[in-house]
Amino acid sequence: EPEVTQTPSHQVTQMGQEVILRCVPISNHLYFYWYRQILGQKVEFLVSFYNNEISEKSEIFDDQFSVERPDGSNFTLKIRSTKLEDSAMYFCASSPRDSKNIQYFGAGTRLSVL
Amino acid sequence: GEDVEQSLFLSVREGDSSVINCTYTDSSSTYLYWYKQEPGAGLQLLTYIFSNMDMKQDQRLTVLLNKKDKHLSLRIADTQTGDSAIYFCAERTGYSTLTFGKGTMLLVSP
Repeated sequence: EPEVTQTPSHQVTQMGQEVILRCVPISNHLYFYWYRQILGQKVEFLVSFYNNEISEKSEIFDDQFSVERPDGSNFTLKIRSTKLEDSAMYFCASSPRDSKNIQYFGAGTRLSVL
Repeated sequence: GEDVEQSLFLSVREGDSSVINCTYTDSSSTYLYWYKQEPGAGLQLLTYIFSNMDMKQDQRLTVLLNKKDKHLSLRIADTQTGDSAIYFCAERTGYSTLTFGKGTMLLVSP
C-alpha cells in the first residue's frame, strides 16, 4: 500500500541551526501538508501546499518556516534558525486529486533542538 | 476558535466494545475523522464521516455523529489487544486544515 515517507525519523540540531525535514508524498497526490505535535500537546496544522504554492498556513508558520517541492517527488519543510520550542514531531501528509478531504500521514520526524 | 475535545484515557477488556467520544465546536465542519497512532508510528486514518451523515459502519468500527450536539463517537466492537493505541478525533476546518483533539489512549487488557 502506498505511504507517505519521511526522513530522517529523528533529527537532532543545535539552536540557531537550519534544518530541512524531508517528505515523499504518495505518488500522484497533489495536496501536501505539514503538521507538528509538541510532546503532550495536540497535533497542530502548519501549512498546506498545492500547485506549487502555499494555499493555507497557520500562525505558527512564520518567516522562519518555508516549504518547497524541489522536484516531482519531494516536499520539504525548512526551519531557518531553530529555537528550543521548535522541538516536536513533524508530520507530513498528502491528499489525492479526487479526494482532498482525506489526508494520509507519514510516520513523522522527531526534531530535537538542543 | 475551533476546538476538539476528547477524554484522555480509556481502559477496556479484550472482547468488550470500546467507545471513544469527541466534541467539537466548529458547526461548519464538513468532514470529521478518526486517526489511530500506535507507539512510534504515524497517524493512520481509520475512518471519516461526512457531516450530512449520522452513522457510518466499517467492519468493527462504527462512527456516530450528532451534529446538533457536535458530538462524534467511535465504537470498536470486539476490541483486541492490537487496538491499543492513541485515537485522535479531527475536524476539517478552513480550506484544508485539520484540527485535532489531544487523543484518547485506549488500553486493552487480556
